[in-house]
Amino acid sequence: KAGVTQTPRYLIKTRGQQVTLSCSPISGHRSVSWYQQTPGQGLQFLFEYFSETQRNKGNFPGRFSGRQFSNSRSEMNVSTLELGDSALYLCASSLNAVTDTQYFGPGTRLTVL
Amino acid sequence: SQQGEEDPQALSIQEGENATMNCSYKTSINNLQWYRQNSGRGLVHLILIRSNEREKHSGRLRVTLDTSKKSSSLLITASRAADTASYFCATAHSGNTGKLIFGQGTTLQVKP
Repeated sequence: KAGVTQTPRYLIKTRGQQVTLSCSPISGHRSVSWYQQTPGQGLQFLFEYFSETQRNKGNFPGRFSGRQFSNSRSEMNVSTLELGDSALYLCASSLNAVTDTQYFGPGTRLTVL
Repeated sequence: SQQGEEDPQALSIQEGENATMNCSYKTSINNLQWYRQNSGRGLVHLILIRSNEREKHSGRLRVTLDTSKKSSSLLITASRAADTASYFCATAHSGNTGKLIFGQGTTLQVKP
């Protein structure tokens, strides 16, 4: 089976712009979770989607949003980018995010200038 | 804020030696997962251990879980230079769907 894929792999934006990141889960997985990784804060949970519904959300401002499509692919959007949004954004897929392994994609490296 | 605590933060050993990393957490878990990350790349899943399990093995990896102490350890035996990476523990909690809480990680360097 193909693993989790994320596009794009690298992105450079300027403050105030918005960005959309994409994640394709492993075939058959209906749960997709998103995480932000920074040197200062480490790995932090953004949100989780299952069957197109957001089931859980982390402590991030409303500028961070996401959605999931009927084929389980997910996107996250960050509006009005700030310098502090520079990070590695990782998505993970699983059969059941409560009890099962989460498999991570390679990540999208976002740099905000 | 992160719940997990890992120690040591950094570990340097010679090839062939064993490496042990520890993880502690604060509230009861559904399961605990260990991941490896090489130089800012994606996380590679190593082992998942459920709250009713005490020990699991996978190749050169051995994970233990002590729910009474709220702690876990990852042992890598006969380490190789290719094991050089950051290792993270992550906990899943009932009622907190889809959210893994990560420790700050242990950076392992294996010298040839």
